[in-house]
Amino acid sequence: DTAVSQTPKYLVTQMGNDKSIKCEQNLGHDTMYWYKQDSKKFLKIMFSYNNKELIINETVPNRFSPKSPDKAHLNLHINSLELGDSAVYFCASSQDFLTGGIYEQYFGPGTRLTVT
Amino acid sequence: GDSVTQMEGPVTLSEEAFLTINCTYTATGYPSLFWYVQYPGEGLQLLLKATKADDKGSNKGFEATYRKETTSFHLEKGSVQVSDSAVYFCALGLNYGGSQGNLIFGKGTKLSVKP
Repeated sequence: DTAVSQTPKYLVTQMGNDKSIKCEQNLGHDTMYWYKQDSKKFLKIMFSYNNKELIINETVPNRFSPKSPDKAHLNLHINSLELGDSAVYFCASSQDFLTGGIYEQYFGPGTRLTVT
Repeated sequence: GDSVTQMEGPVTLSEEAFLTINCTYTATGYPSLFWYVQYPGEGLQLLLKATKADDKGSNKGFEATYRKETTSFHLEKGSVQVSDSAVYFCALGLNYGGSQGNLIFGKGTKLSVKP
């Protein structure tokens, strides 16, 4: 069984469209994340959710919105897509962090988004 | 601010060569440190981790020691294989305030191992 899965794996769309990427984890983790990897492989966190609450919201455009229907899912909605949104988006999950402790994150296979 | 610096790639080695990928960090508090590996077309996989100073993480022949005095977490392997060809990311796990749980990644180092 795949621990962290994402759909779709590839997404090609035109500027101005609205799209969603889905993420599911079956690890029983409490925290889920979205990362963006640019063409130079640089990874940056976009959002994380813990028990349905947004706990990290980096400075990303408000066209991006995470939605978590339950603890096992964190979907990424993107409105009015722009050329610069082309990237690989990774979902990840981890156990809930405790004060003074950090748990490793488990990553999905990624979604390659191409905006034309 | 918190950051991770790793050596620029690409790194090209022959099979059975010794590997070192340097990683240094700047952080507030007492972070955890990780190495992740990304094989072509795949997501990131945790390779090893260390949660406190002087801890040594190891997995699949790779090792890294958390050195607080030099703020480093260099990745080493004594004898690389072609199957080790991938991009390696050093990451810092924050454990304070509103950033707790956040991972800060280095820019990645691409390793190519030739037979």
